[in-house]
Amino acid sequence: QKEVEQDPGPLSVPEGAIVSLNCTYSNSAFQYFMWYRQYSRKGPELLMYTYSSGNKEDGRFTAQVDKSSKYISLFIRDSQPSDSATYLCAMMDKIIFGKGTRLHILP
Amino acid sequence: EPEVTQTPSHQVTQMGQEVILRCVPISNHLYFYWYRQILGQKVEFLVSFYNNEISEKSEIFDDQFSVERPDGSNFTLKIRSTKLEDSAMYFCASSEVTAYEQYFGPGTRLTVT
Repeated sequence: QKEVEQDPGPLSVPEGAIVSLNCTYSNSAFQYFMWYRQYSRKGPELLMYTYSSGNKEDGRFTAQVDKSSKYISLFIRDSQPSDSATYLCAMMDKIIFGKGTRLHILP
Repeated sequence: EPEVTQTPSHQVTQMGQEVILRCVPISNHLYFYWYRQILGQKVEFLVSFYNNEISEKSEIFDDQFSVERPDGSNFTLKIRSTKLEDSAMYFCASSEVTAYEQYFGPGTRLTVT
C-alpha cells in the first residue's frame, strides 16, 4: 500500500460549485497535513496546514483531517476559474506528497 | 512579499556533466530543502539543510548529489555526473522554523540529454 494516495483526476466542476479533494494515507505517525496548489510549470504554493484531527478554515478553503480513517479532505467553496490547478496533499513526520489532483473549474 | 527564487529556470546538460542548481531562500528562513518532480510524478523530497549541515536526506539523495550554502543567501544543489533519469523539475523550499510551513521556489527544469 502506498503511503499517500490521491486521485489524479482530472476533476471538472462548474464555477460556483463546492469542490472536494481527498487523500488517504497509511502511516499513522503522520501528524501534520498540508495542502498545496500548483499551477502549471510553477512551484507548489502552501494553502493550509492542520495538526492532527479536526477542521481548519481559511476563506473559501476548509481542510479536514480524520486520523481514525486516515483520510484528509480539502473543500473549496464558491469555486472560481482561477482555482483551476493541481492540488497536492502532503503529510509528515518526514514530508510525503500525494501525486496531486488536477482540478478544472468550468466558467 | 518575500519569495524563494531559483536559477536557472531551465538547464540543459549532457549526460555525465556536472550541474549546479541555485536557490535564494527567504531571508529570515533557517531551514532549506530540495525536492524533485519527474514529469507526471509526485513531488519527492531530496534533502533538508539546517545550520550548515544536512539534517535529513532521502534514498534518492545519493553520492552524486551534494548541497551547499556558500554564502549567507544562496543554497545550491550539485549533481556531479548527471544521468538521463535526473531529468526533472527541481524545487527549492525554505521554512522559518517549522517544516510543515515550507515555501517553494518556481523550480528549475533540468533536461539531461
